[in-house]
Amino acid sequence: DAGVTQSPTHLIKTRGQQVTLRCSPKSGHDTVSWYQQALGQGPQFIFQYYEEEERQRGNFPDRFSGHQFPNYSSELNVNALLLGDSALYLCASSLMLGQRWTSGYEQYFGPGTRLTVT
Amino acid sequence: AQSVSQHNHHVILSEAASLELGCNYSYGGTVNLFWYVQYPGQHLQLLLKYFSGDPLVKGIKGFEAEFIKSKFSFNLRKPSVQWSDTAEYFCAVNARGDGGYNKLIFGAGTRLAVHP
Repeated sequence: DAGVTQSPTHLIKTRGQQVTLRCSPKSGHDTVSWYQQALGQGPQFIFQYYEEEERQRGNFPDRFSGHQFPNYSSELNVNALLLGDSALYLCASSLMLGQRWTSGYEQYFGPGTRLTVT
Repeated sequence: AQSVSQHNHHVILSEAASLELGCNYSYGGTVNLFWYVQYPGQHLQLLLKYFSGDPLVKGIKGFEAEFIKSKFSFNLRKPSVQWSDTAEYFCAVNARGDGGYNKLIFGAGTRLAVHP
């Protein structure tokens, strides 16, 4: 049973460029959340996708956008990269079960994509 | 706004010592609570979770946590740590009823180093 996978593992970009990160959820999961983890900090919620729509968004600018595909995989796009965007970007998947809370709810995290902006 | 505070940023222990990591959250409604662990070079893994019922929850690898609603706390404990427990530990809260969807709010993490 494959867990959450992310690509690429590492990425180096220059200020002003654009980047796309990819995530495949754990088998059977339908919801994908993205988090940014800066060095020495806890993950911060960027946004969540369910049924191919952005359902919740954290305190991140519009430069951060995403997409969810019919197979539940997801992309995170960041435009006009800043030095401060350098971080580990984590994808987490979960099962929403018709938008209801379930007793077994939890999020499974991928290994992350390390983005360095120079 | 919801927030999570972890009191200790760095903890150093010897093997067999007892561990308690503090976690407090701010949110007045119903919450789900989690502890995640990140071993060196590995991804975040769930240690344990609290949804409802018995406020003392047991997780993997001998860890447990106690939810004290009146103190808005969810402290992590282990009676006797091992060198292999060296990792970073994150407390997280997930507020129910947020439009039926949910997000995890993480603390800043506690880096634990266990010396043999």
